[in-house]
Amino acid sequence: QVKLLQSGAALVKPGDSVKMSCKASGYTFTDYIIHWVKQSHGKSLEWIGYINPYSGGPNYNEKFKSKATLTVDKFSSTAYMEFSRLTSEDSAIYYCARSLGALDYWGQGVMVTVSS
Amino acid sequence: DIQMTQSPPSLSASLGDKVTITCQASQNINKYIAWYQQKPGKAPRLLIRYTSTLESGTPSRFSGSGSGRDYSFSISNVESEDIASYYCLQYDNLWTFGGGTKLELK
Repeated sequence: QVKLLQSGAALVKPGDSVKMSCKASGYTFTDYIIHWVKQSHGKSLEWIGYINPYSGGPNYNEKFKSKATLTVDKFSSTAYMEFSRLTSEDSAIYYCARSLGALDYWGQGVMVTVSS
Repeated sequence: DIQMTQSPPSLSASLGDKVTITCQASQNINKYIAWYQQKPGKAPRLLIRYTSTLESGTPSRFSGSGSGRDYSFSISNVESEDIASYYCLQYDNLWTFGGGTKLELK
């Protein structure tokens, strides 16, 4: 069955970076793009961007272009997102999800807390 | 960028009611809208894609309709397991979520 398994929760200091992973299984990794979505506490969902595992090419929401870096290792079927220069506004749950259009399967989410 | 205006932000319903949530896009999205259910502490679950196509496992009491800029999502005969937040997502031009609707029991 399709699974997206994300890395564990992170507690980071302001100004630091965090890199999280999303390991896919149960389907051909290069057949679907991988998205990243932010959900601040009690708030709605924000699309951060996607990466195409076949080409390695990312596409970002303008809002997150200078904040997020998306990469992929198709040999281990794993997508990564690095979030840099963290502030309290970046404390949130981050999800990965796959799609060919609508996001159908989602990871369990990674809670990132930015605190000194 | 396409904006998605979802309403209402919250909704109170009794068991057995029919409820409707709407999403209006800032431009024509050619029916490329999906609807998600999210329960506390869980990832969103895809219920409907391409306006009205139910995902496998989505109960038939859920439905979607619309075209152009205006779309709606309904739950007929609300059940206790439907208490959750609901989000629309346009995927015609990049991806944009609506602001969400929290469904509560009256």
